Amino acid sequence: KQEVTQIPAALSVPEGENLVLNCSFTDSAIYNLQWFRQDPGKGLTSLLLIQSSQREQTSGRLNASLDKSSGRSTLYIAASQPGDSATYLCAVSNFGNEKLTFGTGTRLTIIP
Amino acid sequence: AAGVIQSPRHLIKEKRETATLKCYPIPRHDTVYWYQQGPGQDPQFLISFYEKMQSDKGSIPDRFSAQQFSDYHSELNMSSLELGDSALYFCASSAGQFGANVLTFGAGSRLTVL
Repeated sequence: KQEVTQIPAALSVPEGENLVLNCSFTDSAIYNLQWFRQDPGKGLTSLLLIQSSQREQTSGRLNASLDKSSGRSTLYIAASQPGDSATYLCAVSNFGNEKLTFGTGTRLTIIP
Repeated sequence: AAGVIQSPRHLIKEKRETATLKCYPIPRHDTVYWYQQGPGQDPQFLISFYEKMQSDKGSIPDRFSAQQFSDYHSELNMSSLELGDSALYFCASSAGQFGANVLTFGAGSRLTVL
């Protein structure tokens, strides 16, 4: 059974700093990995999708990397802004099983 | 751009009542997924449909049922509601099976059971 863990559970950093969020998964036979953002009580916004054959994806100030063999992914946020404050979730899908398994998320607070 | 539409956005029910949630996927998306997110929890997969057939099943209670209709919209029916069913219910859609494409999530339907 796939298990996804995110550390830390919460993170507070001053505005302007670069930061890294971590995600680890137990079953490396993944199809893809997605990073989502969720604002309190709101829906899930997909930020980046990394296919199993890829090592990283970039979108603006966000960069996600994938090391499938070690079961790890990181989300790098450059030059953080107060608007980046949200919960960030990673989720993986496995071959032959299309559902996404989510991590418990990292609640990020950017301090102005 | 069109997104995944869920209705109702908020729903309040009493214990033992029945609730129906609706999901309208992005046009030309043929796969629909339902997730349940309890307070402070990560989303848990309930069920999915591809081309109107159930394609995968997760931790969906027997009291819940779902289907996908000919126009690809989906409905999640929940009966004999319990307090523990209070959660945010997300629908997501994608084009194709097996997680090959980005899942786009709706804003969710918040169910409160009193």
